[in-house]
Amino acid sequence: GAVVSQHPSRVICKSGTSVKIECRSLDFQATTMFWYRQFPKKSLMLMATSNEGSKATYEQGVEKDKFLINHASLTLSTLTVTSAHPEDSSFYICSAREMTRRETQYFGPGTRLLVL
Amino acid sequence: GNSVTQMEGPVTLSEEAFLTINCTYTATGYPSLFWYVQYPGEGLQLLLKATKADDKGSNKGFEATYRKETTSFHLEKGSVQVSDSAVYFCALTFSGGYNKLIFGAGTRLAVHP
Repeated sequence: GAVVSQHPSRVICKSGTSVKIECRSLDFQATTMFWYRQFPKKSLMLMATSNEGSKATYEQGVEKDKFLINHASLTLSTLTVTSAHPEDSSFYICSAREMTRRETQYFGPGTRLLVL
Repeated sequence: GNSVTQMEGPVTLSEEAFLTINCTYTATGYPSLFWYVQYPGEGLQLLLKATKADDKGSNKGFEATYRKETTSFHLEKGSVQVSDSAVYFCALTFSGGYNKLIFGAGTRLAVHP
């Protein structure tokens, strides 16, 4: 089946530093990847949609200068949390959509970010 | 707008009990409907889906029927196991465009021996 990996699985950083999270589709090509944020015991909130080779589309209320998304290839998208603060602590999840199966998204295992 | 509403949890059941998790949706068109499951410490996994009215999605003993007349997609399983303990998310999307998934709030299921 389609596998999506994320790296790192968890990261602890100091306030003011930047953190990069990678999302990879391991056995398929993903023209579109999605980044979500999940708060404790809450649903997933879509942050942005990224298409390979173009700028990401951010959801309302999501700061694009804060959450930088790059989708440089058909198998890799990165989310960089710039100048992280404690309120950015959360569970970040990516998903990827296979080119030939447009309605199905495959999710990564998530990255837990803790900003001290 | 488009939205998904799920029954609030947690749902606590004994092993082999019957499970129903309600899901209703509001949509401007004819969406595809999904159930995702999130096991403790893991990412979301697609459990089942249905793409048009009256379709029934099924997987691992779970099933859900796309009911256009009641705008519902309730998840059912005849006999739950401890290993089914997880959070279940109902979601919808539309064909075309970016296929953005719209999730319900999730329902936590705890199954006890």
